[in-house]
Amino acid sequence: QKEVEQNSGPLSVPEGAIASLNCTYSDRGSQSFFWYRQYSGKSPELIMFIYSNGDKEDGRFTAQLNKASQYVSLLIRDSQPSDSATYLCAVEGNLIFGKGTKLSVKP
Amino acid sequence: EAGVTQFPSHSVIEKGQTVTLRCDPISGHDNLYWYRRVMGKEIKFLLHFVKESKQDESGMPNNRFLAERTGGTYSTLKVQPAELEDSGVYFCASSQGNQPQHFGDGTRLSIL
Repeated sequence: QKEVEQNSGPLSVPEGAIASLNCTYSDRGSQSFFWYRQYSGKSPELIMFIYSNGDKEDGRFTAQLNKASQYVSLLIRDSQPSDSATYLCAVEGNLIFGKGTKLSVKP
Repeated sequence: EAGVTQFPSHSVIEKGQTVTLRCDPISGHDNLYWYRRVMGKEIKFLLHFVKESKQDESGMPNNRFLAERTGGTYSTLKVQPAELEDSGVYFCASSQGNQPQHFGDGTRLSIL
């Protein structure tokens, strides 16, 4: 059974700090990796996707992929209170999700 | 561009009744997916349409669930008869080609 694991949190960081969210996956053959942000009662919103080993940056967000270690991470620089949400890691086409990490950014 | 739209946003029914959920994907998206999140668990895949064809329905829990996408546009997911364990949030997502999926706000289904 393919699985995606995330620390459920909550992860609390002060405003302006770097938030680091981590995810591991079980299927070594996985090729596509996604980070979604979900506010309470709302749809999962795509934040980043990454297919190749290394880093991918988009604004304040950086996704990091290490296929050898089977982990994906999301860094959020200059965290804002509006970043407070649940962050979902997902893998592959018919997406396999982790349970999500709840992030709280304190003013 | 309108996003993925789901109806209704909430549904409360009694055990044994029938409920039909609807999803309107982003216009032009051939791929349509259904997912479900039950309380305390992760979002899980139910099935995948490409246009009007079922590409993968391996996540459908049992034969009480029927999904259709006639004409390759909107999709419906019918639960008949509903059981208590069917309660949860049902999400629809769509994509074009191998692009990332975009999700709707979900239908919160409560079975009493």
